[in-house]
Amino acid sequence: LAKTTQPISMDSYEGQEVNITCSHNNIATNDYITWYQQFPSQGPRFIIQGYKTKVTNEVASLFIPADRKSSTLSLPRVSLSDTAVYYCLVGPSGGSYIPTFGRGTSLIVHP
Amino acid sequence: KAGVTQTPRYLIKTRGQQVTLSCSPISGHRSVSWYQQTPGQGLQFLFEYFSETQRNKGNFPGRFSGRQFSNSRSEMNVSTLELGDSALYLCASSLVKASGQETQYFGPGTRLLVL
Repeated sequence: LAKTTQPISMDSYEGQEVNITCSHNNIATNDYITWYQQFPSQGPRFIIQGYKTKVTNEVASLFIPADRKSSTLSLPRVSLSDTAVYYCLVGPSGGSYIPTFGRGTSLIVHP
Repeated sequence: KAGVTQTPRYLIKTRGQQVTLSCSPISGHRSVSWYQQTPGQGLQFLFEYFSETQRNKGNFPGRFSGRQFSNSRSEMNVSTLELGDSALYLCASSLVKASGQETQYFGPGTRLLVL
């Protein structure tokens, strides 16, 4: 069971780049790393997923070092609307897999 | 493509009653997972269904059950409701690739209040 550790909270200002790191020391060979964003009383929204090195999409980048024991979600030029809780999830599909989300990182973006 | 839909969006029940929540996955997705989210315990996995079979189960009592139909739609049922069952219940659907890679897409949730 891949356990994840993230900072409980982070503060930033509009226009800054925000990096949120997740530790997953016992990640398995076939595990992927997925990040979600959640606003209050809404379902988590998929942001990005990766296996190794760097992945980039229109909203974020995901950096995964060679040992894959951690990952960093990078949000460029955040705005007030990026204030949310961010979760990293580690795991494969199938088999006896119990998705474990952890408590996430509460990001507050200030004007 | 339409996203994951959940009905009802809000529900108020009293202790001892039972409740059934419904989830329609994204078209083509055969895996449906259910989660309970509370301020105290966070986002907790209930169970996953794939091709009408329960594939994985979290650590919840037997009062929580589910099923999946041939069209991949899923329902979860909670019997003998307790105050502590008040929560946001989330459904997520995913397309399982041959490589094992899977991405879960969540619905908006059903807010259940038990009085």
